[in-house]
Amino acid sequence: AQSVSQHNHHVILSEAASLELGCNYSYGGTVNLFWYVQYPGQHLQLLLKYFSGDPLVKGIKGFEAEFIKSKFSFNLRKPSVQWSDTAEYFCAVISRFTDKLIFGTGTRLQVFP
Amino acid sequence: IAGITQAPTSQILAAGRRMTLRCTQDMRHNAMYWYRQDLGLGLRLIHYSNTAGTTGKGEVPDGYSVSRANTDDFPLTLASAVPSQTSVYFCASSVTSGRALGEQFFGPGTRLTVL
Repeated sequence: AQSVSQHNHHVILSEAASLELGCNYSYGGTVNLFWYVQYPGQHLQLLLKYFSGDPLVKGIKGFEAEFIKSKFSFNLRKPSVQWSDTAEYFCAVISRFTDKLIFGTGTRLQVFP
Repeated sequence: IAGITQAPTSQILAAGRRMTLRCTQDMRHNAMYWYRQDLGLGLRLIHYSNTAGTTGKGEVPDGYSVSRANTDDFPLTLASAVPSQTSVYFCASSVTSGRALGEQFFGPGTRLTVL
């Protein structure tokens, strides 16, 4: 069965630190990949997405993610985090041949000034 | 209306009561979804609908039912609420084909407490 693993459940950083959140998926076929962000008390919003082409994808607010097909990974990165990045981050994957988006369990990021 | 709306925003409900959570979208998306979000478990799919008139079961469908009479509305009903259904419920919608497959748009959520 298709699954998504997020290795970091809770990450605590100081402002200006670099961020990398891991995401691995199990499905071997062609996939679309997503990172969603949920700010405190809000709903999920799309941060970035990969459908095809350049495996390095840039999203909003300085985030980027790299799709490494050989590693089944889609890690999220940001060179310098801000306090306003405090949120929960969800990786999600959908196969081109199924109709269900599979979410990881989320990573809670806390950034301290 | 812009995007997805959900009602109510929050609700406290006595166990055994019936409750319907409402969801409406104005993006003419074919597919709609209901998720519940619980601490440490992420988002789990309850039910989904790929097009008006059809519905399907997700990962945690027990105790919930849905209907999809038209494109815009996708209500979720708890026939007899139990405390384990205390959660935050999110409705979402998406297209079902093409390049944007999987990109879902979420509503603001309904916080439900069952006592």
